[in-house]
Amino acid sequence: RKEVEQDPGPFNVPEGATVAFNCTYSNSASQSFFWYRQDCRKEPKLLMSVYSSGNEDGRFTAQLNRASQYISLLIRDSKLSDSATYLCVVNLITGNQFYFGTGTSLTVIP
Amino acid sequence: DAMVIQNPRYQVTQFGKPVTLSCSQTLNHNVMYWYQQKSSQAPKLLFHYYDKDFNNEADTPDNFQSRRPNTSFCFLDIRSPGLGDAAMYLCATSRDSTGGSYEQYFGPGTRLTVT
Repeated sequence: RKEVEQDPGPFNVPEGATVAFNCTYSNSASQSFFWYRQDCRKEPKLLMSVYSSGNEDGRFTAQLNRASQYISLLIRDSKLSDSATYLCVVNLITGNQFYFGTGTSLTVIP
Repeated sequence: DAMVIQNPRYQVTQFGKPVTLSCSQTLNHNVMYWYQQKSSQAPKLLFHYYDKDFNNEADTPDNFQSRRPNTSFCFLDIRSPGLGDAAMYLCATSRDSTGGSYEQYFGPGTRLTVT
């Protein structure tokens, strides 16, 4: 079983739409959670960390549900520049192991 | 200013010819990672160093080795590249995440082609 699972999409949404991605993780020893953004042929870049209470950064909102072992990312008012692959990343409490989901592809259409 | 630097950005090697990829960091992070990423797949952790302690993933082939001569530098050696090793190789760093929550910082990657 994979450590982290995501719906690969693709998600094709019009500009201005709201889109949500979910990610599930299998290891209850997971302690930290992140969403990274990866543009085509580039490296992953941190979009936001995910905190237990949920957190928001502008148009982006991340939620964590430890009981159900999933995290989510909500993007409001989608922009063309949001087109990318969004990677869910989980870090185990044992320390320095980060596991990636396969990523969810988003294309925002004019 | 680049914080995690990888060289070269593009590497072409012949089947079976050893190749070394390099990574350096200016963040003074004590953990460094190597990932392999193939097209449309998630980055796959190969191994990581916590200071000088080497931690290999169980499914990393023996063909892949690593060296970390000091805090700033880490190398990935592929002893006998096969066609299946063509991929993007990503180096990342982080602070020690044991008991904490620190994100990873990635270099731009080295795209390896095997001919």
